[in-house]
Amino acid sequence: DAKTTQPNSMESNEEEPVHLPCNHSTISGTDYIHWYRQLPSQGPEYVIHGLTSNVNNRMASLAIAEDRKSSTLILHRATLRDAAVYYCIPPIQGAQKLVFGQGTRLTINP
Amino acid sequence: KAGVTQTPRYLIKTRGQQVTLSCSPISGHRSVSWYQQTPGQGLQFLFEYFSETQRNKGNFPGRFSGRQFSNSRSEMNVSTLELGDSALYLCASSVGHSGRYEQYFGPGTRLTVT
Repeated sequence: DAKTTQPNSMESNEEEPVHLPCNHSTISGTDYIHWYRQLPSQGPEYVIHGLTSNVNNRMASLAIAEDRKSSTLILHRATLRDAAVYYCIPPIQGAQKLVFGQGTRLTINP
Repeated sequence: KAGVTQTPRYLIKTRGQQVTLSCSPISGHRSVSWYQQTPGQGLQFLFEYFSETQRNKGNFPGRFSGRQFSNSRSEMNVSTLELGDSALYLCASSVGHSGRYEQYFGPGTRLTVT
């Protein structure tokens, strides 16, 4: 499986932007790069996914490097509700499934 | 639109028993995936079904099995339960295969094996 590297934890302040990095230098698939998050005591929640260029939705923006070996999830104005574990999931060649790593635990300070 | 529902939400079983967990996907979704989440191993993929066919399988022993019905509802079964099977079992549904479409997760079934 592809190796994904994310910081174990990050901390930010409420109403400030947050940039969550992900390195997936061994990416092998040509399919989408996904980001999910898991709030405490809940199932994972879809955040965003993209293929090659930057993507935006109501929750976040996703910046994908030109070589697809890294991506960055951007929360434009963090709220306390954004405190969660964020998972970056690159595609795997020939395996149409999501492989979750350990993710980044994001703490938001009021 | 109703979300993904899983039943039961909590379950306590004894080692050696078997268990069946149920998942009802969002209406119109044809793909259902199952995951196991433990503190030590994190979220691990079990299998994915699409239109009643298993499309993908994770690295779990044959004691873990599943099926999908014509209405897209899915069940997973674990036979000969072991203590290590204690986990949160999550089901997710999507319109197509999970590598391409966003998945919607249910609240999970918390299984405790004693």
